[in-house]
Amino acid sequence: AAGVIQSPRHLIKEKRETATLKCYPIPRHDTVYWYQQGPGQDPQFLISFYEKMQSDKGSIPDRFSAQQFSDYHSELNMSSLELGDSALYFCASSPQTGTDPGNTIYFGEGSWLTVV
Amino acid sequence: AQSVTQLDSQVPVFEEAPVELRCNYSSSVSVYLFWYVQYPNQGLQLLLKYLSGSTLVKGINGFEAEFNKSQTSFHLRKPSVHISDTAEYFCAVSSSYGNKLVFGAGTILRVKS
Repeated sequence: AAGVIQSPRHLIKEKRETATLKCYPIPRHDTVYWYQQGPGQDPQFLISFYEKMQSDKGSIPDRFSAQQFSDYHSELNMSSLELGDSALYFCASSPQTGTDPGNTIYFGEGSWLTVV
Repeated sequence: AQSVTQLDSQVPVFEEAPVELRCNYSSSVSVYLFWYVQYPNQGLQLLLKYLSGSTLVKGINGFEAEFNKSQTSFHLRKPSVHISDTAEYFCAVSSSYGNKLVFGAGTILRVKS
């Protein structure tokens, strides 16, 4: 079965640079979530989109922005990178249309961002 | 607001022994409960979920969990673990009125031979 696809899988950036992560949700999933998992930490919710509109916002820094496009893929843009942004960034997707009543969220493999 | 507490940060256990990973939650609304597993350097994989109905839910890899509303718990169990079960396990909750998952701090299960 198709899963959530994230790219790139690994990314190394220098401080103050910009990074963009991409996420392709499971087909027919119209909701996308972004999570950040720091070393030894639990995943923290950043932001979510439903039908290309922001649906919820968590602990996302102002330096970060995200959007969902017409084909439902999403991009997380991170600017002025700091050492503390080094983390595993998960994208996840779920169907909102009632086919999965628990709104089960399916995660991608994650994108490792290292800021040096 | 919801929160999840995983009472054990690490659980060492011998192979073929039973294991229980504890999870307690708090929420002012109805919740859905999940267990995810994360193998080293990998993503999060759904083990099982509780939506409604039977309080005992069975998941993949022989795991099961029991929802206890009065104790606000959703403990994960496996009667006999394997070396390959070594991983970090996250309990998570989502509200029936929202979608985002709130995770616990995770429990590292270390299975020893």
